[in-house]
Amino acid sequence: DGGITQSPKYLFRKEGQNVTLSCEQNLNHDAMYWYRQDPGQGLRLIYYSQIVNDFQKGDIAEGYSVSREKKESFPLTVTSAQKNPTAFYLCASSIFGSRNNEQFFGPGTRLTVL
Amino acid sequence: QKEVEQNSGPLSVPEGAIASLNCTYSDRGSQSFFWYRQYSGKSPELIMFIYSNGDKEDGRFTAQLNKASQYVSLLIRDSQPSDSATYLCAVKSSGAGSYQLTFGKGTKLSVIP
Repeated sequence: DGGITQSPKYLFRKEGQNVTLSCEQNLNHDAMYWYRQDPGQGLRLIYYSQIVNDFQKGDIAEGYSVSREKKESFPLTVTSAQKNPTAFYLCASSIFGSRNNEQFFGPGTRLTVL
Repeated sequence: QKEVEQNSGPLSVPEGAIASLNCTYSDRGSQSFFWYRQYSGKSPELIMFIYSNGDKEDGRFTAQLNKASQYVSLLIRDSQPSDSATYLCAVKSSGAGSYQLTFGKGTKLSVIP
């Protein structure tokens, strides 16, 4: 089955700890995205990548880092510099250059700071 | 600042009625418009997109776009309890950053049996 997978589903972080969220897709999509969703809020873009070995900051990149070493994978690291990391994290992918840029989402990772 | 506005709801409709969800956007150069459905605790699911003025129908769903008024809507006919969810409007802008979607905060729909 083609799709986007994210792991883990739930993640608990202690203060001062870095954690990495996994995102993998087998849709052969070029572009991948990370969003954060807080209760009652819209999705906010953290980072995006259009091609391998290239990525750009979104609207709220501070305290986060990413890598794009493979087309299929776009992991997100939430660093200790992110002061309020508790949120629902969503990874998405799309065909880069398509007219409409339809983005498809993975199931999400819910991160809680203890 | 590109903005997408939605009434947060909740919007309650009886089963079998038409649900009407609305969205306005600030960037006049926006090109494409998307409706996502998000069940509680789940990720958003793309249900429709539209890029031309007018109506686009897909089963019980109709998206309507009026670029002059910067307004897009989603109609759900014969609403079912399974349609109860939060509906997110997203807009693809033009120019620099045209890969990005800007999301509204969503409208919560409740279909009453």
